[in-house]
Amino acid sequence: DIGMSQSPDSLAVSLGERATINCKSSQSVVYSSDNKTFLAWYQQKPGQPPKLLISWASTREYGVPDRFSGSGFGTDFTLTISSLQAEDVAVYYCQQYYRTPPSFGQGTRLEIK
Amino acid sequence: EVQLVQSGAEVKKPGESLKISCKGSEYNFSVYWINWLRQMPGKGLEWMGRIDPSDSYTNYSPSFQGHVTISADKSISTAYLQWSTLEASDTAIYYCARLTRIAVAIDTFNIWGQGTMVTVSS
Repeated sequence: DIGMSQSPDSLAVSLGERATINCKSSQSVVYSSDNKTFLAWYQQKPGQPPKLLISWASTREYGVPDRFSGSGFGTDFTLTISSLQAEDVAVYYCQQYYRTPPSFGQGTRLEIK
Repeated sequence: EVQLVQSGAEVKKPGESLKISCKGSEYNFSVYWINWLRQMPGKGLEWMGRIDPSDSYTNYSPSFQGHVTISADKSISTAYLQWSTLEASDTAIYYCARLTRIAVAIDTFNIWGQGTMVTVSS
C-alpha cells in the first residue's frame, strides 16, 4: 500500500496571505511511460463531503478558483492557496490514485489567523 | 445535475445489521465504479471498497474485508453498503463516491454522496 503523509496537521494564515500544504507519498505516484502524476487534492468543509479541487497533481477542476494551485513530482507535492479567503477554511486532503487501495493523507486543517 | 443521494442517518445497537444506500442520478450508473469511504468522528478518509455496477464485481480494503458487503442494483442505479453485525467502532460517516472517469477502477472521486451518519451505541 502507498502511504500518504501531510504537513502540517494544522495551519493558521491571515486573510490575503499565502497558505502552503505539503503531501508526501511513500513511493512514486508517477506513471513512468507518460509522466502522469496520480495525485489529487480535496477540500472538506464542516458538514460537507470532500470536494475535488485538483487532479494530476496540478490540474484544477472546473470552477475551482485560480488562487488554488498544485505542484510537485515523484513523491513530494504541494497545494498552495495564493491569497487566503474566508471561504477557504476547511480540511485539505491529498490522495494517490496510482495504485489500489487509493489512499489519503491525514488531512491539514486550515484556519484564519 | 449528476448526483449521488444516500439514505438517512441510522442509530443501531451493537450486534444489529444495517444496509445503507447510494442512488445515482442523471448519468449512466453502470459505467462508473462506486466506492465507499469511512470518516470516523473528527478523523480522515479511509477507503473501504468499490463496486463495478455493470457486473457487481467488488474489491475491498483488507481493513474492511469480511466485515462489510458492497452490492449494487444497476436497474435502480443504487449501490449498497451493509453490515451483518455492527460494532461500536463502526460509528462514522459513510460516503459513497463515484470515480471521475469511466472504464477505470481507480481514479479521483468527483461526485460524492452527502454522507450517511451511522451511530452504533448500546
